[in-house]
Amino acid sequence: EVQLVESGGGLVQPGGSLRLSCAASGFTFTHHYMDWVRQAPGKGLEWVGRVRNRANSYTTEYAAAVKGRFTISRDDSKNSLNLLMNNVKVEDTAVYFCVREYLPGEALDYWGQGTLVTVSS
Amino acid sequence: SYVLTQPPSVSVAPGQTATITCGGGNFGMKNVHWYQQKPGRAPVLVVRDDRDRPSGTPDRFSGSRSGNTATLTITRVVAGDEADYYCQVWDENPDHVYVFGPGTRVSV
Repeated sequence: EVQLVESGGGLVQPGGSLRLSCAASGFTFTHHYMDWVRQAPGKGLEWVGRVRNRANSYTTEYAAAVKGRFTISRDDSKNSLNLLMNNVKVEDTAVYFCVREYLPGEALDYWGQGTLVTVSS
Repeated sequence: SYVLTQPPSVSVAPGQTATITCGGGNFGMKNVHWYQQKPGRAPVLVVRDDRDRPSGTPDRFSGSRSGNTATLTITRVVAGDEADYYCQVWDENPDHVYVFGPGTRVSV
């Protein structure tokens, strides 16, 4: 059974930093591109970014709203996905989901339960 | 950047059919995917590649595409289908991004 379990959410002040993690199991993690998607309270889904697999040099892509502030990385030896959030803003407040790409650029077929990040002073 | 449009809400009686549309200008070669999200839960993929149902998706759910509109149809609607539904595509021009529609709240 595929499982994605996020951790690391919490309260952070504007301008601060926070690191989210996602533990993956039940599939060959190293094969898949992995993504983060967020959802602000009462709002829709917003893609944050992705990291490709080893075969594609672990390269990353980001949404314009977070480019230059957020960094996505992965550790295939630990089946883990990470999101480092720097210089956070109030508008980054959201539930952050760890998500698996079925195939590159195709459907997002498995989602974690999400972890809440609140940016507030 | 690419923009998807959806009706904010659809209301349907139990046993009837719900139709949710997703507009995106020229879809071209893009595949459209659909997600169901119930309150307090993570989204669940219900239709991929315009019309394919992942295992576990009831056959009451079907996807289609005609011209510049993709459609998710739910037949014989039950109370458990009440949720938000999002369409989504992968856009490569100019940047590589996943784009979601604004979501449609289906009320039963």
